[in-house]
Amino acid sequence: DAKTTQPTSMDCAEGRAANLPCNHSTISGNEYVYWYRQIHSQGPQYIFHGLKNNETNEMASLIITEDRKSSTLILPHATLRDTAVYYCIVRVALYSGGGADGLTFGKGTHLIIQP
Amino acid sequence: DAGVIQSPRHEVTEMGQEVTLRCKPISGHDYLFWYRQTMMRGLELLIYFNNNVPIDDSGMPEDRFSAKMPNASFSTLKIQPSEPRDSAVYFCASSLGGPDYFGPGTRLTVL
Repeated sequence: DAKTTQPTSMDCAEGRAANLPCNHSTISGNEYVYWYRQIHSQGPQYIFHGLKNNETNEMASLIITEDRKSSTLILPHATLRDTAVYYCIVRVALYSGGGADGLTFGKGTHLIIQP
Repeated sequence: DAGVIQSPRHEVTEMGQEVTLRCKPISGHDYLFWYRQTMMRGLELLIYFNNNVPIDDSGMPEDRFSAKMPNASFSTLKIQPSEPRDSAVYFCASSLGGPDYFGPGTRLTVL
């Protein structure tokens, strides 16, 4: 079972910031938080991963709470092309001594950007 | 970089036929993953390889499913015999143990 909880769907107006929450209260110290999105009929697309520090790239920002039990993906200026299902996934880090393993996808959040 | 390449993009077959899906990972990646996506079950991991060796095949639904990775640049997922309930989109992904990069998928329809 997925170890994260996300809202099923969210709406956001075009040009506004979209804030996508994720709860991962059982996260272990050796697990990263990964975010992917899947635009209709395409393969999942990697957005971010983080351990405990906040991150920003050209697409989005990732805010992880200090206790690491939740995170928020922020799309600062949402466009219609950002309409997609967004998945938050926790995954063991390679540095912990193990190898990588597969991703366990939940149902994600269906983000709909309204014109 | 061409990304992960999958073929065919669409496959329609009849129940009982053998189906082979193909994947070329990103050059240099040492992990390869096969996933299946259906409306009912979402995205599920089927099997993954590290350095061409199968590591975890616990997600493979039945003995009708088999996967191989004869070299670092090619993998196949075979279904024999196929059944209507195998209809799904099958994704291949590759990585260096960090972010996974997915292919465009193969949409399989078994009639």
